[in-house]
Amino acid sequence: DTGVSQDPRHKITKRGQNVTFRCDPISEHNRLYWYRQTLGQGPEFLTYFQNEAQLEKSRLLSDRFSAERPKGSFSTLEIQRTEQGDSAMYLCASSLSRLATTANTGELFFGEGSRLTVL
Amino acid sequence: KQEVTQIPAALSVPEGENLVLNCSFTDSAIYNLQWFRQDPGKGLTSLLLIQSSQREQTSGRLNASLDKSSGRSTLYIAASQPGDSATYLCAVSSSAGNNRKLIWGLGTSLAVNP
Repeated sequence: DTGVSQDPRHKITKRGQNVTFRCDPISEHNRLYWYRQTLGQGPEFLTYFQNEAQLEKSRLLSDRFSAERPKGSFSTLEIQRTEQGDSAMYLCASSLSRLATTANTGELFFGEGSRLTVL
Repeated sequence: KQEVTQIPAALSVPEGENLVLNCSFTDSAIYNLQWFRQDPGKGLTSLLLIQSSQREQTSGRLNASLDKSSGRSTLYIAASQPGDSATYLCAVSSSAGNNRKLIWGLGTSLAVNP
């Protein structure tokens, strides 16, 4: 396993179109996170999954955003009716989180990101 | 409310210099602190993670230290190389095993000149 992978790396779309991003986490990682990053800023938390369960969504995530992780492996992030303000880098990260184990460092591993440009 | 500050915002050094990047945080009740590197237009690469019970971590030419009582972490880069040019971000987690609560600094943009 070579790490977290995201697809596509870059998406250019017209306002109003729907887009979907995919993230494949590190295989043994049970937690998967989506972040959004704009130029000059740190990543902003959007949502996270523990296995297939979506445990939290940020208030940044409007009704136009939906994320799934149906089998507890890969995840998709869909943005409907895109707006110019959605233009950003969408980052996926994964980590291992298990109780009662010294392996649970909480270390976060990111993918290369999917850059969205809405025209 | 936890706030993370990174100073300086930008740094330019000649190749071969040793350098220190600073990260400060306002609430010492942290679970861990992680340093990341980000190249332009790319994702983040984890460099070092320090648990709250640890004082430092080392990986190759990188050494990160943590002083919770003073709310500071430093990333030391030895013998800098042009390939080290990137933005370095620190992030603090205040909740055990849950990275949704990561608080990020804005990063230090490093340029190492040949």
